[in-house]
Amino acid sequence: DAGITQSPRHKVTETGTPVTLRCHQTENHRYMYWYRQDPGHGLRLIHYSYGVKDTDKGEVSDGYSVSRSKTEDFLLTLESATSSQTSVYFCAISPSNRGDYGYTFGSGTRLTVV
Amino acid sequence: KNEVEQSPQNLTAQEGEFITINCSYSVGISALHWLQQHPGGGIVSLFMLSSGKKKHGRLIATINIQEKHSSLHITASHPRDSAVYICAVITGNQFYFGTGTSLTVIP
Repeated sequence: DAGITQSPRHKVTETGTPVTLRCHQTENHRYMYWYRQDPGHGLRLIHYSYGVKDTDKGEVSDGYSVSRSKTEDFLLTLESATSSQTSVYFCAISPSNRGDYGYTFGSGTRLTVV
Repeated sequence: KNEVEQSPQNLTAQEGEFITINCSYSVGISALHWLQQHPGGGIVSLFMLSSGKKKHGRLIATINIQEKHSSLHITASHPRDSAVYICAVITGNQFYFGTGTSLTVIP
């Protein structure tokens, strides 16, 4: 969607390799989120950011790290990918963390760890 | 334990039918979102509501805060409405998502 892009859209990687997913926004929103989506589960929060260099863990943060050095970019890194991290990853942005403003999602990144 | 439960999980309808998807939640919330996800596609926010009812085209969303329940209605359903519909609630600064309702509308 306009205003938020994720890259890459698809990636296949081998177990044990590092992987970085990128979320880029042009909306100047303060809050950015990384979610993973798996069958049988709702979207689950991995990490989120509430400003440049300000990040916090979500409910499924083990094995993931994030960085936000600029307002527009939020990077998700899998330090050593495992098969359990095969998933679809969504980035989201919002001007507020209270859910009272719009919440815009990226198109997703399908990651397969073999 | 899931803070957000949706029903039904799967729904098949004939074109033109009136459709209702339900969402029940167990936490106090500040807002509720209905999201739409097309197969292989991204996620789009349809509605955000904290009380009452909202309407957009053929879509209507209602919420009853006392009963901790929301419904999404689609009038005169069309095959292009086929998608997964996700309910998400916000409490404090936490989002909780339902697992989605997969809707298929048959011509």
